Parts: sequence; C-alpha cells; structure tokens
Amino acid sequence: DAKTTQPPSMDCAEGRAANLPCNHSTISGNEYVYWYRQIHSQGPQYIIHGLKNNETNEMASLIITEDRKSSTLILPHATLRDTAVYYCIVRVARFWMNRDDKIIFGKGTRLHILP
Amino acid sequence: NAGVTQTPKFRVLKTGQSMTLLCAQDMNHEYMYWYRQDPGMGLRLIHYSVGEGTTAKGEVPDGYNVSRLKKQNFLLGLESAAPSQTSVYFCASSFDGVDTFEYVQFFGPGTRLTVL
Repeated sequence: DAKTTQPPSMDCAEGRAANLPCNHSTISGNEYVYWYRQIHSQGPQYIIHGLKNNETNEMASLIITEDRKSSTLILPHATLRDTAVYYCIVRVARFWMNRDDKIIFGKGTRLHILP
Repeated sequence: NAGVTQTPKFRVLKTGQSMTLLCAQDMNHEYMYWYRQDPGMGLRLIHYSVGEGTTAKGEVPDGYNVSRLKKQNFLLGLESAAPSQTSVYFCASSFDGVDTFEYVQFFGPGTRLTVL
C-alpha cells in the first residue's frame, strides 16, 4: 500500500501558485519526502526532496510540517507546461539503509493548469 | 550524456511470444529499476538491481525475469507474454552516494508494449 495520500486531481489558474498537498502520517524518522511529476506518459521527472526543513530549488518549494506528517509542493507561477501527474513518495534516502524498500508511487495528483 | 535510454519504444506481441526490453544508462549508476504503469495507475516496481550481477524482486515480479550482466545495462525479459502484461514499462537508475540527491531516480522515456 502507498505510504502517502494525495487528492486525485486539482485545478490551478495559469500564473498562480499551485499548492499540492500530501499526507504521510506514518513516515518514519529516516524517511525523506520526494516529489516527482509525469507529463503525458513521459518518464517521471524528479522535482525536489526534503527531510524536515523547507526546501526550494529552481522548480518548486517543499513545505514539510513540523510533525512531518504532511507536506505541500508549491509551484510558484504555474504554466500550462506544469500540467502533469504529481507523485509524493516517502522513502529512506540511501538504498543501503533498507534494501527491501520497495518504492510505492501511488496514483498521484493530476494537476490541470487553466488558461 | 544520454541519461537513461530504453529499447524498443513500441512493441506488439502475440500471446506466448517472448521478448527482451533493454535499459541502458551512461551515468555510472549502481542501482537500476524496472517499473510498469497501467492506465490511470501509478508506477509499480517489477524488479531492481543494486549492482552488476545482482537482482531482486519488486512489487509485481511474476511473469518477468531480469539480468544485470553489465553495470550500464538492465534487461527485462518476458518469456511467455500475456495480455495482462500490456503496459508501459519504465526503467530508472540512481546512485548510492553520500549526498541524498544522488539517490534520486532518473527515468527513461518508456516502452509501450501491447500483447494481443
């Protein structure tokens, strides 16, 4: 079973910030939160990841709550090219920590950017 | 760098036929993975490898075999294809480094397989 819960779909107006929530209430202390997106059946693309501090890169920001049970991916100025399925994943940061770890992608959130 | 490449891009098989999907990466990654994605579903891990000569089962391994004879290549085999194996197959690779970024998986473009 997926370790995360995401809404199946969301809409966002072009130019506005898109805020994608993710619930991971069973996250353990050594697990990171990773976000990927998949644009129209292409291979998934890495966006950002974090442990407990907020993170920002050129693509997005990641806000993780203090209890680490949920997080929000923020696309600051959404464009039509951001239309995709967004996956939130929790997993250990280094494979050797748990070699039986099987990555569960879940169904993600389908983000529609409205012109 | 080409990153992660997959061969072929499309394939149509008849039930019972066999085929091999090839994944190649030029990033010197230790870990490689095979996923399948069915319509409206997320990715499901089939098999993975933590290094040359090693493989392990993922979430849905039945009906598939894999081999990692060279570090840069990861082969996925279907010995006797079934219609239930109609899917899009993605390969991915990742480092195992000190920096957590190096654990990020990089995906190939996918192979669309139809089994009639």
